[in-house]
Amino acid sequence: GENVEQHPSTLSVQEGDSAVIKCTYSDSASNYFPWYKQELGKRPQLIIDIRSNVGEKKDQRIAVTLNKTAKHFSLHITETQPEDSAVYFCAASMASGGNTGKLIFGQGTTLQVKP
Amino acid sequence: SAVISQKPSRDICQRGTSLTIQCQVDSQVTMMFWYRQQPGQSLTLIATANQGSEATYESGFVIDKFPISRPNLTFSTLTVSNMSPEDSSIYLCSVRTGLNQPQHFGDGTRLSIL
Repeated sequence: GENVEQHPSTLSVQEGDSAVIKCTYSDSASNYFPWYKQELGKRPQLIIDIRSNVGEKKDQRIAVTLNKTAKHFSLHITETQPEDSAVYFCAASMASGGNTGKLIFGQGTTLQVKP
Repeated sequence: SAVISQKPSRDICQRGTSLTIQCQVDSQVTMMFWYRQQPGQSLTLIATANQGSEATYESGFVIDKFPISRPNLTFSTLTVSNMSPEDSSIYLCSVRTGLNQPQHFGDGTRLSIL
C-alpha cells in the first residue's frame, strides 16, 4: 500500500528565515503531490501542488521540488511570516490508470514562525 | 474551486447512537472522499464515495460502521453508526472535479461522543 512519511513533525523558525518540509512516498506510481496548510480549527487548504512531469514549481514565496528517483518531495517557504504558522500536510496520489486518485497524507508538520 | 458545504458543523452525541453527515457541492464532481482527522493528527481516508454504487473503503473502515451514500454528482452522506467515544473526531468531505484536478475540503464536522 501507499505510504507517505513527513518530517520534521515540528519546525520553529525566525520571521524572515526559510522553512523546508520533506516528504517521502512509497509507491513509485504516484504522480501527483499536493501540499495543504491547515490553520487551527480550519479546513486544509491547498497551497501548491506538483505533478510527476515537473521537477519544481514556484508560487511567490512557496516552492515545491520533486525527485522521482528518490521518491521524495519538499516544500520550501522563503521569507517566512507569522501568518505562515500552521500545520502543513504533504500528500501523494496515483492520478491515472483508472485509480480513484485518492490522496494519502503525511503526518503533518507544525510550523511556528517567531516574530 | 467548488464550494463544499458540510453539515452539521459540529454535534455532541450519545454513545450508541448514529449521526449522518451531509456534504453538498455547488457543482458536479467526479470524485468525493470522506476523511477522518483525530485531534492533533493527520487526515485518514475512510472511503471513496462512488456515485450510484457502493463506496470503496480503506483498510480499517467498514460499511456497517460508516455507511456512505452518493446518489448524484453533487451530494454524499457519511453515517457514523453505533458511536463510541473513540469516534470523536473531525470528519471531512473532500472533492475533486476530475482525475487530474486539485482536491479540496469542506469545513468538516466536529463530532464528540459522550
